[in-house]
Amino acid sequence: DIQMTQSPSSLSASVGDRVTITCRASQGISNFLAWFQQKPGKAPKSLIYAASSLQSGVPSKFSGSGSGTDFTLTIYNLQPEDIAIYYCQHYKSYPLTFGQGTRLEIK
Amino acid sequence: QVQLVESGGGVVQPGRSLRLSCEASGFTFSSYVMHWVRQAPGKGWEWVAVISYDGNKKYYADSVKGRFTISRDNAKNTLSLQMDSLRAEDTAVYYCARDLTAHGDYHDLTYWGQGTRVTVSP
Repeated sequence: DIQMTQSPSSLSASVGDRVTITCRASQGISNFLAWFQQKPGKAPKSLIYAASSLQSGVPSKFSGSGSGTDFTLTIYNLQPEDIAIYYCQHYKSYPLTFGQGTRLEIK
Repeated sequence: QVQLVESGGGVVQPGRSLRLSCEASGFTFSSYVMHWVRQAPGKGWEWVAVISYDGNKKYYADSVKGRFTISRDNAKNTLSLQMDSLRAEDTAVYYCARDLTAHGDYHDLTYWGQGTRVTVSP
């Protein structure tokens, strides 16, 4: 199975900051990577697919990059509504697996 | 718009069975691969199973293989998960999910339902 490792596991930043979350795959996955945002008690919301493609309706403050084994999610101009847990997920092969999540908080 | 509505969750004793359903609307259900994904309390995400758009191909996580069965009824726009021999570690919120593109091999889990809670407890 392909293991997905996110860092950091938690992150505290100020309103207006730029935040970067990293996801590393245990083997190459090309660009078969998605990013999700999950708020308490809610289903995940897809932000990014194919490593860098923004889902329809997702604001451009979210940006994804990377290929192979190393990927990043960048959030620009952090706002209180961005407080959530962020997950990466690969879809190179079965089983699909997820990172352990990055909890984002406001300072 | 795409809507996925799960149902069938509840409290069940270890060793018993439960059947989850996911009613789909707002898209051509028969054209899309569908998934079940779960999240145990306070834990991360675990992909459970996938079924091809025509129901002919199915894949499972090792943790549920031989106990869970994914199926679909394209005439009724419904996805199902039959869960047998349930264990305490199956306790989770179960979600159905759909990929972005039809007939695709890209399992990006773009659309999710609201989830249904399953608790396995004596």
